[in-house]
Amino acid sequence: QKEVEQDPGPLSVPEGAIVSLNCTYSNSAFQYFMWYRQYSRKGPELLMYTYSSGNKEDGRFTAQVDKSSKYISLFIRDSQPSDSATYLCAMRNTGGFKTIFGAGTRLFVKA
Amino acid sequence: DGGITQSPKYLFRKEGQNVTLSCEQNLNHDAMYWYRQDPGQGLRLIYYSQIVNDFQKGDIAEGYSVSREKKESFPLTVTSAQKNPTAFYLCASSTAGRNEQFFGPGTRLTVL
Repeated sequence: QKEVEQDPGPLSVPEGAIVSLNCTYSNSAFQYFMWYRQYSRKGPELLMYTYSSGNKEDGRFTAQVDKSSKYISLFIRDSQPSDSATYLCAMRNTGGFKTIFGAGTRLFVKA
Repeated sequence: DGGITQSPKYLFRKEGQNVTLSCEQNLNHDAMYWYRQDPGQGLRLIYYSQIVNDFQKGDIAEGYSVSREKKESFPLTVTSAQKNPTAFYLCASSTAGRNEQFFGPGTRLTVL
């Protein structure tokens, strides 16, 4: 079993839809959670960073962490065609040096 | 502009050749990393370095080598011992004590 599981998609939604992207994990020691966006043939860019449980909002993006369920989510409101990309979740434990990445979910937002 | 640069963007290697991928950062970050990305898989850590003149193997270090002679630079050599080197290679860096990593644009290596 992988430490981090992420549905590869693809996920196709109409413009303006609310998108929900999710990851599950098995290591209860993970405390730091990140979401990266990666456009085709580009390097990932950091979107959201959260520590422990709870929600964090930044513009149209909301990151949610449920440590009791070992489940994290990224919500995108009012999705735009420019949001079409692969979204990678990533996580790390306290004092650890290695970041574990999900395989990524491909998102297509249709105009 | 602060950032991470990788070169070349595309690289072609013949069987039996060693090739070196460049990674430079001007973010004054202490830590640097090399990842490999294959379709349908998450990023896999090849090597990382927390300080100059020190580096550690990641999960898939076999067939790769690195050096860290300067804080700004962390080149990766893909040796002929790496049996399946065709992949997208990503370099990243971070500030000591911080978890967020910042990535370069990547190098796509293809073996002919």
